[in-house]
Amino acid sequence: GQQLNQSPQSMFIQEGEDVSMNCTSSSIFNTWLWYKQDPGEGPVLLIALYKAGELTSNGRLTAQFGITRKDSFLNISASIPSDVGIYFCAGRRGAGNNRKLIWGLGTSLAVNP
Amino acid sequence: DVKVTQSSRYLVKRTGEKVFLECVQDMDHENMFWYRQDPGLGLRLIYFSYDVKMKEKGDIPEGYSVSREKKERFSLILESASTNQTSMYLCASSSISGARTGANVLTFGAGSRLTVL
Repeated sequence: GQQLNQSPQSMFIQEGEDVSMNCTSSSIFNTWLWYKQDPGEGPVLLIALYKAGELTSNGRLTAQFGITRKDSFLNISASIPSDVGIYFCAGRRGAGNNRKLIWGLGTSLAVNP
Repeated sequence: DVKVTQSSRYLVKRTGEKVFLECVQDMDHENMFWYRQDPGLGLRLIYFSYDVKMKEKGDIPEGYSVSREKKERFSLILESASTNQTSMYLCASSSISGARTGANVLTFGAGSRLTVL
């Protein structure tokens, strides 16, 4: 199946640093979702984006729906050790009850205290 | 707190065994999904269901079947487990109702890690 291009694949940073990751596609999307997966757990939704250009924050996290509708990015400011995990982007091309999401392969984040 | 509950967190089975992975959601969601997750391959959709007794193949349905007899329960079945089905299995659900915000957002269970020997 199709996948989104998510980068970077992994990051190792110092506590307090800012983090940026992104997802791109050759296709236009109507919805972008960002999930975080803690080790040994299922993914949990961080931010959902529904409109081109939309910029949404959730605490230290900020995500944007690219104006071309072909990309999205997620920023984490002032990282802390509990930010460790795998971050996934997911997108949906259709409208209404289009049930299938297209997923990125994830960005694995490690934070050095 | 709304939940998707996967009955087994860890299972060890032998090659050829029949395996049932159970998933229950308490959010009255119409859609339910089974994914498998493997290192470097991300999340791959096995099957999904948009209504009771309805199912659709995802991207990797071979070697799996599903059952949805009740709205809240979606089961993944491995008729004859093989070693290449060793993986983390994730169940998720979503609603079709409501305004654009929140609709079709997946809620995941904690996962079932299956090892086939």
